[in-house]
This record gives sequence, structure tokens and C-alpha cells, in this order.
Amino acid sequence: DVVMTQTPVSMSVSLGGQVSISCRSSQSLVHNNGNTYLSWYIQKPSQSPQLLIYKVSNRFSGISDRFSGSGSGTDFTLKISRVEPDDLGVYYCGQGTQYPPTFGAGTKLELK
Amino acid sequence: QVTLKESGPGILQPSQTLSLTCSFSGFSLSTSGICVSWIRQPSGKGLEWLATICWEDSKGYNPSLKNRLTISKDTSNNQAFLKITSVDTADTAIYYCARGTGPFDYWGQGVMVTVSS
Repeated sequence: DVVMTQTPVSMSVSLGGQVSISCRSSQSLVHNNGNTYLSWYIQKPSQSPQLLIYKVSNRFSGISDRFSGSGSGTDFTLKISRVEPDDLGVYYCGQGTQYPPTFGAGTKLELK
Repeated sequence: QVTLKESGPGILQPSQTLSLTCSFSGFSLSTSGICVSWIRQPSGKGLEWLATICWEDSKGYNPSLKNRLTISKDTSNNQAFLKITSVDTADTAIYYCARGTGPFDYWGQGVMVTVSS
């Protein structure tokens, strides 16, 4: 299975600040079809996960442009700018390139 | 509007079979390219993909649980199902159904399942 390693495990941020979350995969996430199926999700307290970013850098419907994804191969980053209270929660990266789909262990974003 | 909602027994005893239902709207499992997956999350822990079923009835299972899982669908009633046999306390978790195979673009609210004697 592809192991997804997220860093940091947790981080504190001030409202209006910027954060970056790293996600590394144990194998390349480039699919045979040329796509890279790396996604980012947020799980707010007591809620189900929500898709933020798919295929590395594509924002899902309704997602603010304060969220941006980048990276390639095995190294990926989620950046959140101008952090708002509704951004707090646990962020997960996930891959759908290699079977079975796997997720990182999560990064908890808290207020400083 | 895409929605998914899970239902299940709530609590069951070790060695029993867990049966879960995902009822969805806003899309059809008969549409080319559409898949529904099951993912679970033990309390305070991360996400574990369990199984996926797609429009043409292809199925995928997590190898670590493959012998215990069966996924199926009822296209006419917009439902997907998951059965897990021989449950034990390690299967206690919130179970989600979600559309897709990764990315998972829409998720249900989840259903809590507790395995306890």
C-alpha cells in the first residue's frame, strides 16, 4: 500500500495567517493515464470529511481560492492563506492513484 | 444536489455480521464513471478505505479485510450496501459512504457502529 506521510501532525495559526501542510507518498502518484490523484480533505469538528482539492491543484466546487494545492510525484503541499475560523479542523491528504486508496494520518489546525 | 446517508445497526456483538446501507440522491450508480465507496474512521483516528463499487458492477476491496467484506448495489433504489462478517471490537468506528474512488467528492454524515459484548 502507498503510505501517505503528513507533516506537521498539528499546527497553530493566527486568524488571517498562512499555513502550509506537507504530504509525501511512498510511491509516485502519477497514474498511467498521466493524472495524479492526490486530494486534500478537511474534517471539521463532529463533521464528515469534505473534499477541498483534487488532482493536486484543482479546487472542488465552492472552495475558496484561499486554498491552493501544489506538488508532483511524491511531494505535495496544501497552502491556506488568510486563515478564517471555519478553516479549523483536521486536514487529510489522500491518494487514488494506486490501489488501495490511502490517506495520511491528518494535520490538526488550531488557533494560536 | 448530491446527498448520501448511511444507516446501520448501531451496536452489535462480536462475531456477528455488520450490514450497512448507503442511500443517495443527486446521481445514479447506473451512470458511466460513477462509483460509491465505503470508508471508516475509528474514534479519534484516521480514515481507512474499505471498498468501492462502480456503475458497471466492478468491485474493489481493501486487501487487509477482503475476506470479510461484500459490497453490492441496488441501482433502481439508489442504494449501496456493505457487509462485514465476523466483526470484533476493532471494527468499532464511524462508517462513511462517499461518491468516487479517490477523490471522494461527496460524503455522507456517517453512522456510528459499536461492536461490544
